[in-house]
Amino acid sequence: ETGVTQTPRHLVMGMTNKKSLKCEQHLGHNAMYWYKQSAKKPLELMFVYSLEERVENNSVPSRFSPECPNSSHLFLHLHTLQPEDSALYLCASSRGLAGVDTQYFGPGTRLTVL
Amino acid sequence: AQSVTQPDIHITVSEGASLELRCNYSYGATPYLFWYVQSPGQGLQLLLKYFSGDTLVQGIKGFEAEFKRSQSSFNLRKPSVHWSDAAEYFCAVGFSNDMRFGAGTRLTVKP
Repeated sequence: ETGVTQTPRHLVMGMTNKKSLKCEQHLGHNAMYWYKQSAKKPLELMFVYSLEERVENNSVPSRFSPECPNSSHLFLHLHTLQPEDSALYLCASSRGLAGVDTQYFGPGTRLTVL
Repeated sequence: AQSVTQPDIHITVSEGASLELRCNYSYGATPYLFWYVQSPGQGLQLLLKYFSGDTLVQGIKGFEAEFKRSQSSFNLRKPSVHWSDAAEYFCAVGFSNDMRFGAGTRLTVKP
């Protein structure tokens, strides 16, 4: 039990659709993250939120738009995606800084873009 | 540039055999070092981490890792592998709000 939940677990969308991924952490952590996991590639850190403020945006295309309304919830809004965006999207949280504290991961959303 | 290398994409070991997964990194400062494990259909779970002190770190599930500064390595070991250890293993380095993962090593355990 990691205390981090993600919905939906699977999502298929067309290139013109708009959808959102949701993440919720029940651990009282201050920081939340979105990662992209593609086959045979390292996990890519996409966005970092600390105390609901975005602190990192690692050159992610604008078709991905994060939102952190409070310290427990994190969304990733998706629009006009490309097939190469198909991947497993993982949410994580930590008490402190990403590179220092243990991160707790959700099970991920498997995204397929047709 | 900061990077993490896991040279072995896939390793197969027999149940009961010993295991060593390799990790090398390139980083400007001495980073925090992590090993995470991912079972199918699940997120990543921390096995162990190192920042300072004793260079041999003990983790959960009987795993340990050794930090070797001269070799910029942080290899993961287990003396006797169990079938339930079959999973993907990720080495990671971190500093402040920066976190870099390796591409992972998939472990298969033969009966």
